[in-house]
Amino acid sequence: QSALTQPASVSGSPGQSITISCTGTSSDVGSYDLVSWYQEHPGTAPKLMIYEDNKRPSGVSNRFSGSKSGNTASLTISGLQAEDEADYYCCSYAGSSTYVFGTGTKVTVL
Amino acid sequence: QVQLVESGGGVVQPGRSLRLSCTASGFTFSSYAMHWVRQAPGKGLEWVAFISYDGGNKYYADSVKGRFTISRDNSKNTLYLQMNSLRVEDTAVYYCAREPGAFDIWGQGTMVTVSS
Repeated sequence: QSALTQPASVSGSPGQSITISCTGTSSDVGSYDLVSWYQEHPGTAPKLMIYEDNKRPSGVSNRFSGSKSGNTASLTISGLQAEDEADYYCCSYAGSSTYVFGTGTKVTVL
Repeated sequence: QVQLVESGGGVVQPGRSLRLSCTASGFTFSSYAMHWVRQAPGKGLEWVAFISYDGGNKYYADSVKGRFTISRDNSKNTLYLQMNSLRVEDTAVYYCAREPGAFDIWGQGTMVTVSS
């Protein structure tokens, strides 16, 4: 149950696009189409942004998109806005109803 | 509206026990698998435990296996986490979360501090 690997930080200017990677193994990310992404602002509960690799829940901006290739998933935020500054976590199903989270990425809007 | 509310957190000494509760409202609780997820201060999210919609299946992270027990009472729309033999490293905000393939609804979290 090792954590998925994410970059510690990613930054970008308003209006730019950024991409956060999430690297797992063939036992989790690479085996199931069940990678999800969560946004967490300080002091608040995580919010689901992407599920099943690339689907957006109702109400989530279409500036957020997800993709996956092999054992690595990615979250792209386009048209970066000040409100996007937060911590982001990926999460993957790992079999037997267990899940593993990523190490987390702090997104800074310059 | 759809909501999860945790309770039961607090300060406890190492080796002692604590039981967390998570009360659901606004949806059919008995239809969903549920999980506990925790976050130590300044750290990332860690999956803790799973329970199926009917309580028939349960799984735990290795870090809590044998010490924590997840359960639910569908008649009370409530999820529980019994935490025994608590360690300093169990200090965290504990969240309950609904799971239809992803964690789509989260509670506000309850803080557990294990300290002598």
